[in-house]
Amino acid sequence: DAGVIQSPRHEVTEMGQEVTLRCKPISGHNSLFWYRQTMMRGLELLIYFNNNVPIDDSGMPEDRFSAKMPNASFSTLKIQPSEPRDSAVYFCASRTGTSGNEQFFGPGTRLTVL
Amino acid sequence: TQLLEQSPQFLSIQEGENLTVYCNSSSVFSSLQWYRQEPGEGPVLLVTVVTGGEVKKLKRLTFQFGDARKDSSLHITAAQPGDTGLYLCAGAPTDSWGKLQFGAGTQVVVTP
Repeated sequence: DAGVIQSPRHEVTEMGQEVTLRCKPISGHNSLFWYRQTMMRGLELLIYFNNNVPIDDSGMPEDRFSAKMPNASFSTLKIQPSEPRDSAVYFCASRTGTSGNEQFFGPGTRLTVL
Repeated sequence: TQLLEQSPQFLSIQEGENLTVYCNSSSVFSSLQWYRQEPGEGPVLLVTVVTGGEVKKLKRLTFQFGDARKDSSLHITAAQPGDTGLYLCAGAPTDSWGKLQFGAGTQVVVTP
């Protein structure tokens, strides 16, 4: 079975550019989470969706960040404009309501903003 | 925000030694999970503990949930190089709606 799929795996961009990260959750999972991981701050929850509806976006750093989930099989995290301090590994995770709290993580997107 | 503090931050041991990682909070969690993350990959769930005082064993790994459901420990017996990784604890607050609060992690390095 395919796990959570994220693309791209690596992204290098220049400050001021728009960045779009993509995620395909595991089929049948109804919750999706976006995290950011850095050495300094560890794994931080940015936003999560339940049944495609954003439930909690309190972790989104600022208005430059936005996330959408147009359907149950696709989500995007967009940063516009990007800044060097956005450099991090971004993870998407999904979960089914029947698996307790277990979250299944994708391989992550390593973002570098120059 | 319910903070989870992990200790130590870093642990380097020789193969065959034992180690213990701790996860502490001042808040109560409905459940607590341990994940292991290897370089270039996302975290992978090892175990979920739900009941205060619960002990779960997974081969050489022993997980314990504190009686008050505020803390947990992970003990590895006879560590092997394959145990190398970042160990993360994650607590589910009682009103979490599926959210998890992650600790900062403990980097474990096991050398042959």
